[in-house]
Amino acid sequence: KQEVTQIPAALSVPEGENLVLNCSFTDSAIYNLQWFRQDPGKGLTSLLLIQSSQREQTSGRLNASLDKSSGRSTLYIAASQPGDSATYLCAVRQEDSGYALNFGKGTSLLVTP
Amino acid sequence: GAGVSQSPRYKVAKRGQDVALRCDPISGHVSLFWYQQALGQGPEFLTYFQNEAQLDKSGLPSDRFFAERPEGSVSTLKIQRTQQEDSAVYLCASSLLVLRQGMNTEAFFGQGTRLTVV
Repeated sequence: KQEVTQIPAALSVPEGENLVLNCSFTDSAIYNLQWFRQDPGKGLTSLLLIQSSQREQTSGRLNASLDKSSGRSTLYIAASQPGDSATYLCAVRQEDSGYALNFGKGTSLLVTP
Repeated sequence: GAGVSQSPRYKVAKRGQDVALRCDPISGHVSLFWYQQALGQGPEFLTYFQNEAQLDKSGLPSDRFFAERPEGSVSTLKIQRTQQEDSAVYLCASSLLVLRQGMNTEAFFGQGTRLTVV
């Protein structure tokens, strides 16, 4: 069974810092990996989708990388802002059972002014 | 609509009551998913529809949980005889394309329904 782990579980940084969130998965046979943001009491907002054949995706201040063979992905946030405060979730879709997204427990990020 | 819409946003049920949660996916999206998110956890897969066909219900925790999508658009998740452990946020997501075609489809989530069983 696919296990998705996110480190750290929580992170607090001052505004302006660059930061890295980590995601690891045990089964490398994935279709894709998706990073989401979840604000308190809200649903999930898709940030970046990386296909299994890709190494990275970028959107604004966000950059996500994927090393499929080693089962790792990182989300890099440049020049963090208080509005970036949220929980960031990593999810993978398997090749052999492609319906479900398997989620990590998330990293709770707080960016202080 | 512009996004995935879920209703109600909040539901309080007495233990033993039946509840029905509604999901309106993005228009034209073929795939629809239901997830359950307990406090402090990531979402857990419940079930998947491709149009009106329920292709995977392996994540439904018990036979008290039932989902349908009769016309391939709106979906309803029904929970019978609710119990306290059913308290969670129920998330609906939709994707444009059909899965298992080797295509990488992005999932779009609704805001969820927070169910509290007292």
